[in-house]
Amino acid sequence: EDKVVQSPLSLVVHEGDTVTLNCSYEVTNFRSLLWYKQEKKAPTFLFMLTSSGIEKKSGRLSSILDKKELFSILNITATQTGDSAIYLCAVERTSGTYKYIFGTGTRLKVLA
Amino acid sequence: NAGVTQTPKFRVLKTGQSMTLLCAQDMNHEYMYWYRQDPGMGLRLIHYSVGEGTTAKGEVPDGYNVSRLKKQNFLLGLESAAPSQTSVYFCASRALAGGHEQFFGPGTRLTVL
Repeated sequence: EDKVVQSPLSLVVHEGDTVTLNCSYEVTNFRSLLWYKQEKKAPTFLFMLTSSGIEKKSGRLSSILDKKELFSILNITATQTGDSAIYLCAVERTSGTYKYIFGTGTRLKVLA
Repeated sequence: NAGVTQTPKFRVLKTGQSMTLLCAQDMNHEYMYWYRQDPGMGLRLIHYSVGEGTTAKGEVPDGYNVSRLKKQNFLLGLESAAPSQTSVYFCASRALAGGHEQFFGPGTRLTVL
């Protein structure tokens, strides 16, 4: 059965800390891995990764994919209270139906 | 450009009642999806559509029906609501070509008593 597992489930840090969120997957017909940030309502897109070893970066956030070991990490440096959210990882399959499998998410809380 | 909108935002039903959730997108996206989000469960796919007039089952389709009569709208129906369907429902859409990301609506919080 296809699955996506995120760790840790929750995390509390102080402003300025660096955090690493993990996403491992066992999915047939892998096409891409996506990261989303969910604050109070709708998830918003952060990154899409399709190739191993190529870092995607946006400000203080960065992400990388390892297709051999089947995992991805999301790094946030110099965390701010505005980074508090649930971070979702999703894997897209190439099955022709473009179905996405989501992990349960990591709840990050950044304290001032 | 409103993106993806959902109505209603909140709803309380009694067991056995029926209702329809409406999702609308103005981005001319081919694909649309309905998810439910429960604590500790992440997002689970209920039904999806790859184009007008087509629908398919996702991971948790039981108790739900959908219709995509117009490209911009995707309706989710509950024929006989059950307390197990208490959840937050998200609609999403994505384009056929280009980026693989989905665009999500703001969600509908449904409580079934």
